[in-house]
Amino acid sequence: SQQGEEDPQALSIQEGENATMNCSYKTSINNLQWYRQNSGRGLVHLILIRSNEREKHSGRLRVTLDTSKKSSSLLITASRAADTASYFCATHEDYNQGGKLIFGQGTELSVKP
Amino acid sequence: KAGVTQTPRYLIKTRGQQVTLSCSPISGHRSVSWYQQTPGQGLQFLFEYFSETQRNKGNFPGRFSGRQFSNSRSEMNVSTLELGDSALYLCASSLPGDIQYFGAGTRLSVL
Repeated sequence: SQQGEEDPQALSIQEGENATMNCSYKTSINNLQWYRQNSGRGLVHLILIRSNEREKHSGRLRVTLDTSKKSSSLLITASRAADTASYFCATHEDYNQGGKLIFGQGTELSVKP
Repeated sequence: KAGVTQTPRYLIKTRGQQVTLSCSPISGHRSVSWYQQTPGQGLQFLFEYFSETQRNKGNFPGRFSGRQFSNSRSEMNVSTLELGDSALYLCASSLPGDIQYFGAGTRLSVL
């Protein structure tokens, strides 16, 4: 079962612009993670934000988490053509759930040179 | 350090057959999780193994099974294949409570 919605489903921007993707989820979480997937290949972990954190940065990535609204956003600044990929949020509900991640439907990002 | 290795990368089977997919985790990782990715259902959790024991199971029929060996390598098996089992199967390994590292996946086509 999917955790929630990602918005938008697809996003097309020019190189140098910023890209913002949103994710909503349904249950209480331990942490929320963002992954990137290039053209049907494996997932690459980008960033993890814990339920007691509100914002986190990693290079050109900025993630926010609002647990009251059960939502998160991923901002990619100064995008590059190499950022073209699908981006997924995934929630980890609690440690008793072990490694189980629940993924959103994903946002397909296209960055045009 | 080698990443997560999944074999084979591509597989074509016919309805009714069975298939076994293999996953070798990162050295030292004892947790292995499996996910199915389809265009319609997205990424869905299949099951997780830790120290040779199934710790978690997703909402899939009993045709989907798995196991983990003492060296942490894992296999998943799908019996009596259906057309709807065509998907990208992803394996991930992790240390306890840590992020998951994914393999490149096995793309299964059922004809």
